[in-house]
Amino acid sequence: GAVVSQHPSWVICKSGTSVKIECRSLDFQATTMFWYRQFPKQSLMLMATSNEGSKATYEQGVEKDKFLINHASLTLSTLTVTSAHPEDSSFYICSARRTGDSQPQHFGDGTRLSIL
Amino acid sequence: GDSVTQMEGPVTLSEEAFLTINCTYTATGYPSLFWYVQYPGEGLQLLLKATKADDKGSNKGFEATYRKETTSFHLEKGSVQVSDSAVYFCARFNFGNEKLTFGTGTRLTIIP
Repeated sequence: GAVVSQHPSWVICKSGTSVKIECRSLDFQATTMFWYRQFPKQSLMLMATSNEGSKATYEQGVEKDKFLINHASLTLSTLTVTSAHPEDSSFYICSARRTGDSQPQHFGDGTRLSIL
Repeated sequence: GDSVTQMEGPVTLSEEAFLTINCTYTATGYPSLFWYVQYPGEGLQLLLKATKADDKGSNKGFEATYRKETTSFHLEKGSVQVSDSAVYFCARFNFGNEKLTFGTGTRLTIIP
């Protein structure tokens, strides 16, 4: 149990377009989901905490207007990279925490975003 | 603040060798500790965890013991396999702010 599905797994698009990434908890409810960014050969950097039915909490230095997060249901959070540019190219990973549990977080397989 | 310091890689070992990847954490509060593994092109998978001092987490032949006196959570495996090649992340969970802090990751390559 505790499967998190992330879609798409890979996306290539032109500079200036917006890209939406979905994160779904398949067999559990997740009041809280997390969005991370991972640069090549580096660790995961927490971008924001997504809370169902309320606004996301962004980490310092993360532009909330650039990285729009919506958590409309207990099983789905989306991250939209708006007007993406080459510097937004990265590996984005979501995780979900089962409602009522403080930990662990269950991770999706990540989305590799390449902006041309 | 919270931090996790992890042994720098890359680490290359021969099959059946003994593995140790060092991890230390800041001692603030009473964190839970985790090891995650990331296979190429994939997300993170929870490998093992420990929630209090002297707890030993184990899975797939890997072990790590929560050492409060040395603020360490070193990952060990007695005999590694080629399939263990991956990046390993040590992490601590802060109950106060409910955030997971990762180490920088250690890339492990096992050669036949």
